[in-house]
Order: sequence, then C-alpha cells, then structure tokens
Amino acid sequence: QKEVEQNSGPLSVPEGAIASLNCTYSDRGSQSFFWYRQYSGKSPELIMSIYSNGDKEDGRFTAQLNKASQYVSLLIRDSQPSDSATYLCAVRVGNFNKFYFGSGTKLNVKP
Amino acid sequence: SAVISQKPSRDICQRGTSLTIQCQVDSQVTMMFWYRQQPGQSLTLIATANQGSEATYESGFVIDKFPISRPNLTFSTLTVSNMSPEDSSIYLCSAPGGGQRPVDEQFFGPGTRLTVL
Repeated sequence: QKEVEQNSGPLSVPEGAIASLNCTYSDRGSQSFFWYRQYSGKSPELIMSIYSNGDKEDGRFTAQLNKASQYVSLLIRDSQPSDSATYLCAVRVGNFNKFYFGSGTKLNVKP
Repeated sequence: SAVISQKPSRDICQRGTSLTIQCQVDSQVTMMFWYRQQPGQSLTLIATANQGSEATYESGFVIDKFPISRPNLTFSTLTVSNMSPEDSSIYLCSAPGGGQRPVDEQFFGPGTRLTVL
C-alpha cells in the first residue's frame, strides 16, 4: 500500500465548474498536509497547507482534511483553463524530514 | 517564500560520468532536501542535507551514488555518480519557506532535467 494515494485522472471539468481532487493517506500519525500544483515541465508550486480537521479556504481553493477517514481533498471553485495541471498531495509523517507525495491527479479545465 | 535556484537547468550526459547539481537558497535554512522525479512519476525524497553534518539518505539511495554537500546555510550540491540511463530524471531541491511561514512548508527549485545516454 502506498503512503499517499491519488486518482491519476485525468479529471476533466468545464470552465467555471468546481474541480474536486482527492487524496488518502495510510499513516495515522501524519501531521501536515499539502497540495502542490505542477505544470508540465515545471517544478511543484505549493498552493495550500492544512494541519487541522475541517476546511481551509484561500481564494478559489479550499482544502479539506478528515483525519479520522485519513482523507484530504482540494476544491477549486470557478475553475479556469490556467488551472489545468497535475495536483500533488503531500503528507508529512512523523519527523520533519519525512514527506510522501502522491502520484498526482491531472486536471484538465476545458474552455 | 524562499527563492531557490538550481544549476544546471538541464544536461545530457554520457553513461559512467558524474554530474553535480547546485542549489542556492536566498535565505538561511537549516535543512535542504533533494528529490527525484522520474518521467511521469511523483517525487521521491533522496536525502535531507543538514548544514554541518552528514546528509540523511532515504531507503534505496546511498551516499556513494548520490553524494551531497552542504557547506553553508544557503547552498547544497547533489552529485549523481557513475550515471546510467536509469538516472535520467528531474532532480529537485527544496527548502522551507522561512519568515512567518510554517517551518514544514517546502518550496522547490526549478529542477535539473538530466538525460543519460
């Protein structure tokens, strides 16, 4: 079992819709959770971090964390074609050094 | 967030040679991290580079193959030694953002795209 699981997609949504990206993790001791966006040929860009159960909103992005279900999600409201990218879920486990990344979900936003 | 630069941005190397990748951060950080991203794959942590001590390597990565230096709080190098085509990958360094940001938020450099022939 992988430490962090994501559906590879592609997830296709029309422009203006809500994109919902999901991630599950295996280690209940996980402390911190992150969403990165990676455009093709570029390095990952941090877009959200979340540490407590519930929702955290930043502009069009909302991260949701449910530690009991070991589940993290990212909602993108009013999706734009410029949101088309691969979204990576990352989890910090135990020591500060230990990050696990999911395989990423490719999002396509169609005009 | 921290500004992180890497050199070279890309290189094409011959089998059996070595390449050293440099990573520079615009602020002092205690830890820097080196990742590998193979084609179409996610990121895998190679090692953590601590200033003033030996790097800590993850399972599957060894110092002889990936020696790391960390001479000061803003700079690190990763060497990919005795390269084979299987080492063709993107190599990324990362560091905490610093300032008011949570210490465990990591930011990435632009990456080094390595092709081994």
